Amino acid sequence: AQSVTQLGSHVSVSEGALVLLRCNYSSSVPPYLFWYVQYPNQGLQLLLKYTSAATLVKGINGFEAEFKKSETSFHLTKPSAHMSDAAEYFCAVRPPNFGNEKLTFGTGTRLTIIP
Amino acid sequence: DAGVTQSPTHLIKTRGQQVTLRCSPISGHKSVSWYQQVLGQGPQFIFQYYEKEERGRGNFPDRFSARQFPNYSSELNVNALLLGDSALYLCATQGGLTETQYFGPGTRLLVL
Repeated sequence: AQSVTQLGSHVSVSEGALVLLRCNYSSSVPPYLFWYVQYPNQGLQLLLKYTSAATLVKGINGFEAEFKKSETSFHLTKPSAHMSDAAEYFCAVRPPNFGNEKLTFGTGTRLTIIP
Repeated sequence: DAGVTQSPTHLIKTRGQQVTLRCSPISGHKSVSWYQQVLGQGPQFIFQYYEKEERGRGNFPDRFSARQFPNYSSELNVNALLLGDSALYLCATQGGLTETQYFGPGTRLLVL
């Protein structure tokens, strides 16, 4: 079974400061990992994904994440926060094999940007 | 290209009623998955369908059922609604060799 733990249900950062959202996973096989963002009253939008290629993954809106197998982590970062980054962020994991695309999500981190 | 579409956007039902939610995939996507997102939590996997066959089922009671049509659209049915079924129901579709699921805007269900 796979699982995801997101440390910190709420994170607040000042505009222009570093954003760091933490995600740790558990998986018996090398997983695929994803970060999604959800704005109020909307669905989920893919920020970035790791699928066993480069361990440092760049996504949309200036976000990036690094896959660290030794730490079973896939933390999301952005060098400089913008007011528009305020949203809920979800880390998700799934097996790498075709035919089993079930995503297992973490409980989410609500990011607040302080002006 | 149009993204994943879901209907209706909002729905209010009473306990014991039945509801049908609909999802149209991105053109060319043959895999459809359904997720339930209760307020304040992450989405939980309900079903996956591929080429009209059920490929996976989450830990949900038999009151939940789904199907996929020849045009790859899908319906999620929930019978005998309970208050706890109130949630945002998300549809996600995936196509070809991509590893990514693309989500629709969801249907918000309120059970009174």
